[in-house]
Amino acid sequence: DQQVKQNSPSLSVQEGRISILNCDYTNSMFDYFLWYKKYPAEGPTFLISISSIKDKNEDGRFTVFLNKSAKHLSLHIVPSQPGDSAVYFCAARVGGGADGLTFGKGTHLIIQP
Amino acid sequence: GAVVSQHPSRVICKSGTSVKIECRSLDFQATTMFWYRQFPKQSLMLMATSNEGSKATYEQGVEKDKFLINHASLTLSTLTVTSAHPEDSSFYICSALGGQGGTDTQYFGPGTRLTVL
Repeated sequence: DQQVKQNSPSLSVQEGRISILNCDYTNSMFDYFLWYKKYPAEGPTFLISISSIKDKNEDGRFTVFLNKSAKHLSLHIVPSQPGDSAVYFCAARVGGGADGLTFGKGTHLIIQP
Repeated sequence: GAVVSQHPSRVICKSGTSVKIECRSLDFQATTMFWYRQFPKQSLMLMATSNEGSKATYEQGVEKDKFLINHASLTLSTLTVTSAHPEDSSFYICSALGGQGGTDTQYFGPGTRLTVL
């Protein structure tokens, strides 16, 4: 049973526009969420995170929104740049940092010039 | 900083042999490290949690006798795939807890591509 779901395998966005990547989860015990960016044959790179006590966290071009009642979070990238083309993974965990992460299957973001 | 390295980056071995993969946190100490596995077009799946100086905690379905984990120091964890078989071929990624993100963020290594012939 997939506890973290990224229903869009791929997303194509024009350079300069906003990219919105979505993530849904089923486990109501998750209380910390992270977004990672990954290139082929490399490890994931941490982008941004959010605690369940917040509904928004912003870091430069990246903003993560959390809707706990809907069990939904999204990553907004604005403006989108060619270097943003990669696979983006949503991850969640229960409790403190000593717990492993549960990952979604990823969304391949393609930024078109 | 929060740099995690893995060695080797790529390994090809014969069926039945054992392979050791090292994971190091280069600029911070990590009391907890994690090992994940990723099959093509799939998400990263947590295999085990490794704590310095204690036994690793394995996820359901992961054989602890096949995937030996040793967390000998605050900067090094090793994963040994014993008696490897072709179905063990995968991308193995470690992560370390800590660094600039404190205890809330896992920083990942670059991964190790294992191919078992």
